[in-house]
Amino acid sequence: AQKITQTQPGMFVQEKEAVTLDCTYDTSDPSYGLFWYKQPSSGEMIFLIYQGSYDQQNATEGRYSLNFQKARKSANLVISASQLGDSAMYFCAMRPRDDKIIFGKGTRLHILP
Amino acid sequence: AAGVIQSPRHLIKEKRETATLKCYPIPRHDTVYWYQQGPGQDPQFLISFYEKMQSDKGSIPDRFSAQQFSDYHSELNMSSLELGDSALYFCASSPGTSGGGEQFFGPGTRLTVL
Repeated sequence: AQKITQTQPGMFVQEKEAVTLDCTYDTSDPSYGLFWYKQPSSGEMIFLIYQGSYDQQNATEGRYSLNFQKARKSANLVISASQLGDSAMYFCAMRPRDDKIIFGKGTRLHILP
Repeated sequence: AAGVIQSPRHLIKEKRETATLKCYPIPRHDTVYWYQQGPGQDPQFLISFYEKMQSDKGSIPDRFSAQQFSDYHSELNMSSLELGDSALYFCASSPGTSGGGEQFFGPGTRLTVL
């Protein structure tokens, strides 16, 4: 079965610290994409970072990096130097071969001043 | 850069009424996806279209129907609305149906059923 698991329902982190949001996935498809989205209280779904299953290197986008460990089926998001504006819900998601995106339950991140 | 456009952004309806949500994909994107996100929930896939044909179907109630038009925009029609239909409805688009690539999300339509 295709599944995304986020085990941290909520996290509190001090401003300027790095934070790691955990994500594990399950799929039997050899080709898939992994994503992280940020959803602030306004509701929009903001794309952060993408990792393809065949990509050799971990994806990075500014302060965001994806720690991709294919053998462990994990795709953790690392946010460096956290900011107050990073407070939001974060969804890990997977797009296997059959196209629809499967989301995890999300992690609500709170950045403390 | 052009993004996915959804209208309306907010919609309030009474029980048993109908609602139509519209989605305009990014230019040259031929695939559209609809997702429903209930309060405090993760988004759930409803239905998708590729080149105006339904390509996949998820947990979409029979009261809902959708189509993609010749200009690639899509409409989600919802009839006999129930309180449980109150949710954020996202449309996403992508170029083609090749598995694994990014889908670009619109800002969502927040539907409230009273």
